Amino acid sequence: SQTIHQWPATLVQPVGSPLSLECTVEGTSNPNLYWYRQAAGRGLQLLFYSVGIGQISSEVPQNLSASRPQDRQFILSSKKLLLSDSGFYLCACRDRESGGGEQYFGPGTRLTVT
Amino acid sequence: ENQVEHSPHFLGPQQGDVASMSCTYSVSRFNNLQWYRQNTGMGPKHLLSMYSAGYEKQKGRLNATLLKNGSSLYITAVQPEDSATYFCAVDGSGNTGKLIFGQGTTLQVKP
Repeated sequence: SQTIHQWPATLVQPVGSPLSLECTVEGTSNPNLYWYRQAAGRGLQLLFYSVGIGQISSEVPQNLSASRPQDRQFILSSKKLLLSDSGFYLCACRDRESGGGEQYFGPGTRLTVT
Repeated sequence: ENQVEHSPHFLGPQQGDVASMSCTYSVSRFNNLQWYRQNTGMGPKHLLSMYSAGYEKQKGRLNATLLKNGSSLYITAVQPEDSATYFCAVDGSGNTGKLIFGQGTTLQVKP
């Protein structure tokens, strides 16, 4: 079964600093990959998804970007963080062969922008 | 606009009770509906998927039904370890697999 790794687990960054969050996947090939953000006590907001290497689709206009340099690597970046970028960032994958379409989530990164 | 709404937002049953929660959805396209559970500070975990109205699924103490434009989830004989936030998510995509999540129902079981 799939295993999702995310790092770092916790991050505190000042406003205006850059950001790089990394996600790697084990146990599957050619998965769909997703980045979500979750505000405290709220649901999951889809930020980006990717159906293949170098293929990125953005769901929400913002100062974040994503890249997929390898099949099982997904990176979330920002050149200059805003206070509103604080939140819990989750990476997820979906096995294309799965009939149920379920997504597997990583442990998340808690980002606080100060 | 595609959206999913949960009811209630919070449940606080006694240990051993039945917990009942539901979600309604408004989407332009429907493939399936999924329920997830999220413990505090962790990523969500998939519980089950359902595909058409009238579909029912039982998994342990979980019982779920898919209705037209909604779903109900029941947890029988709730235990403190069932405490978590439960999310309903609708897959209305093609090959992208994008899910539309609701804001969730937080379950806190009183021992």
